Amino acid sequence: ELKVEQNPLFLSMQEGKNYTIYCNYSTTSDRLYWYRQDPGKSLESLFVLLSNGAVKQEGRLMASLDTKARLSTLHITAAVHDLSATYFCAGTAGTYKYIFGTGTRLKVLA
Amino acid sequence: DAGVIQSPRHEVTEMGQEVTLRCKPISGHNSLFWYRQTMMRGLELLIYFNNNVPIDDSGMPEDRFSAKMPNASFSTLKIQPSEPRDSAVYFCASSPELNTEAFFGQGTRLTVV
Repeated sequence: ELKVEQNPLFLSMQEGKNYTIYCNYSTTSDRLYWYRQDPGKSLESLFVLLSNGAVKQEGRLMASLDTKARLSTLHITAAVHDLSATYFCAGTAGTYKYIFGTGTRLKVLA
Repeated sequence: DAGVIQSPRHEVTEMGQEVTLRCKPISGHNSLFWYRQTMMRGLELLIYFNNNVPIDDSGMPEDRFSAKMPNASFSTLKIQPSEPRDSAVYFCASSPELNTEAFFGQGTRLTVV
């Protein structure tokens, strides 16, 4: 069964710094998704990565996928306070079963 | 579109009572998911419907949990009888087709005392 692991679980970083969140998955996943969740809120879709080598960018966030290594990364460039949230990656087992990672709680310090 | 709509947003109930959570998916989406989120277990998929038919309910924790989707625009998740360990945030999500991104509702925060 597909397992998705993220690291780190917690990340505290200074504004203006760069950092990367890692998402490893255990078996073939058709697609890889990144979501953001603010405290007490719902999950918001950030990126959908469809194939090996896919790279997507939105503002200060960039996600990539390496299916051979079964690894996806979410890179944060020049972090700002508004990026503080919990970030989840998810893979799909079969055609529908979204399996979520444990989440990475990001706190950007001013 | 208003997105996935869940009700109620908050529910506090006594142990042993029946609880019904409701979800209206995005119009035109034919896949619907119920998830439960807790600090200990993270996000767990409880059940998945496709075209109103339950496809996989292997995540439903016990017989006390049941879910229905009588039509394309409405689903319920029922817990009877409820227990304190059922306290969690329950999310409903929908997607337009298989293997596409899922859109989540605002969630129902359930507290069983």
